[in-house]
Amino acid sequence: NAGVTQTPKFRVLKTGQSMTLLCAQDMNHEYMYWYRQDPGMGLRLIHYSVGEGTTAKGEVPDGYNVSRLKKQNFLLGLESAAPSQTSVYFCASSYFGTGEEKKLFFGSGTQLSVL
Amino acid sequence: QQQVKQSPQSLIVQKGGISIINCAYENTAFDYFPWYQQFPGKGPALLIAIRPDVSEKKEGRFTISFNKSAKQFSLHIMDSQPGDSATYFCAASIEGGSYIPTFGRGTSLIVHP
Repeated sequence: NAGVTQTPKFRVLKTGQSMTLLCAQDMNHEYMYWYRQDPGMGLRLIHYSVGEGTTAKGEVPDGYNVSRLKKQNFLLGLESAAPSQTSVYFCASSYFGTGEEKKLFFGSGTQLSVL
Repeated sequence: QQQVKQSPQSLIVQKGGISIINCAYENTAFDYFPWYQQFPGKGPALLIAIRPDVSEKKEGRFTISFNKSAKQFSLHIMDSQPGDSATYFCAASIEGGSYIPTFGRGTSLIVHP
């Protein structure tokens, strides 16, 4: 049981280049999320999805696009990378409904540097 | 507008001491308050969570204290150990509908041996 898997783990881009971060979960979770983590800023939500084929904007969506064509995958795209997008990116998933310990399951992160 | 304010940003404690991290929230509709623990190079993981029907929840050395009237909650780590050194995030969410937790900015805890 792998949980939430993110690829790649590290990436260096030049300004203006594009790339896609892939997130895969094997827990059949309905909800998936992309966060970015910056020093002193905590975890900020970029985009999220409440089910296959649906996506929504989070707190900091500008410069990013997402797609969820399959329930288990959530892709984050940067069309034209900027130095301000240098960050650690985390994908997370969660199940629908309430529970004793409602929680997000996080991947191990992608360190992205934009030069 | 920061909906969940967390303090302090960093905290240094001696082994065996008590670590206290505080959070305050604005939205009175929040009804679920988890704490996440993150070790370097890893993603955050749920540590402990509380709902507003109780004022305190304890799991081992970790305790959440919740004050609904003040809209504040805190994490207490008793007998802090070097292995507790990590970044801690508080969060708040509304359980009904879409589960979109709002996170505090995090507290970097260092426990000296």
